[in-house]
Amino acid sequence: DAGVIQSPRHEVTEMGQEVTLRCKPISGHNSLFWYRQTMMRGLELLIYFNNNVPIDDSGMPEDRFSAKMPNASFSTLKIQPSEPRDSAVYFCASSGRPEPGNTIYFGEGSWLTVV
Amino acid sequence: AQSVTQLDSHVSVSEGTPVLLRCNYSSSYSPSLFWYVQHPNKGLQLLLKYTSAATLVKGINGFEAEFKKSETSFHLTKPSAHMSDAAEYFCVVTLNTGFQKLVFGTGTRLLVSP
Repeated sequence: DAGVIQSPRHEVTEMGQEVTLRCKPISGHNSLFWYRQTMMRGLELLIYFNNNVPIDDSGMPEDRFSAKMPNASFSTLKIQPSEPRDSAVYFCASSGRPEPGNTIYFGEGSWLTVV
Repeated sequence: AQSVTQLDSHVSVSEGTPVLLRCNYSSSYSPSLFWYVQHPNKGLQLLLKYTSAATLVKGINGFEAEFKKSETSFHLTKPSAHMSDAAEYFCVVTLNTGFQKLVFGTGTRLLVSP
């Protein structure tokens, strides 16, 4: 099993540029999550998809952030325009069933720096 | 509301000595609880989870945790620390929202000295 695959692993971009982060969940998983990790706020859920449909996006910071899941094997998180305060590690995670005790598997993260 | 409190931001142990990382939870119902580990510049890896089965849960790499409802605790332990255990550890509770909304603790950094 290849696990959750994220790209890019590291990105440095200038303020105002568009950033697109990509995620391939584990095959067969129908729940996908985007989390953000910062020193100040720890780990926060940004958005949750089930069967490619966004179920909870209450954690998306503002309109500059958008996420899509066009099919079961691919999701993107886009920031446009990017700002220095968006610098963080963004994790994608997936799970087989949306039950509270089921295991969620995390990717290795995309380290974003906005200068 | 469901939440977890990790009582120590840093724990330092010597190699070969026991590890105790403390976690208390707050939940209005029977929770699902997890411990995840994050090694430097890596993603989060599940160590173990409690889902209302056995209260003593065994995980990977010799770690275990005991769910104590009377104390609302889910402390993580290991009898003998290895250098490779040095990492950040997160205690996590799942909200009863109909899906797996994880609420993370603030993390405990485990330092292991030779």
